Amino acid sequence: DVVMTQSPLSLPVTLGQSASISCRSSQSLAHSDGNIDLNWFQQSPGQSPRRLIYRVSNRDSGVPDRFSGSGSGTDFTLKISRVEAEDVGVYYCMQGTHWPWTFGQGTKVEIK
Amino acid sequence: QITLKESGPTLVKPTETLTLTCTFSGFSLTTRAVGVGWIRQPPGKALEWLALIFGNDEKFYSSSLKSRLTVTKDTSKNQVVLTITYMDPVDTATYYCAHRPQPGTMSNLGQGTLVTVSS
Repeated sequence: DVVMTQSPLSLPVTLGQSASISCRSSQSLAHSDGNIDLNWFQQSPGQSPRRLIYRVSNRDSGVPDRFSGSGSGTDFTLKISRVEAEDVGVYYCMQGTHWPWTFGQGTKVEIK
Repeated sequence: QITLKESGPTLVKPTETLTLTCTFSGFSLTTRAVGVGWIRQPPGKALEWLALIFGNDEKFYSSSLKSRLTVTKDTSKNQVVLTITYMDPVDTATYYCAHRPQPGTMSNLGQGTLVTVSS
């Protein structure tokens, strides 16, 4: 199975500052056609997870543009620019390239 | 509007079989292009991907739980059923179902249902 490794696991941030979460996969997530099925989910306290980004960098409808995804191969990043109080929660990466799909351990974002 | 909702028992005993139902609306589960998947989350822990069934009945399972999982669909009722055999206290978790709208992703997770395994 593909192992997804996130870092850091805990990320205290100052309101208005940026935050970056790294996600690394144990093997390349690129399909033969070049597409990469790397997703990011946000789980706010007490809520169900919500997909933020799919295919590395495509934001879901309604997701603020301060959230951005990037990466290739085995290294991916979720960046939150200008962190707001509502961004507090746990963020997970998930790969959908190889069966079975797998999640990272999660990164807890909190306000300093 | 796509919605999914999980239902099933909140408490099961060790060694029993758990049966969860995902009732969905807003899409049809009739082609390979569409799927419904299951994810779980033990209290205070990370998300774990469990299974996915496509509209053509193709299925994929978690490697570690494959021997205990079965996923089926009832297209006429817009439902997907997940069964897990030989439940153990470590299987205590919130179970979510989700829509697979395109390759390699899941979205529109349900509200989740907490299942506790205890004698």
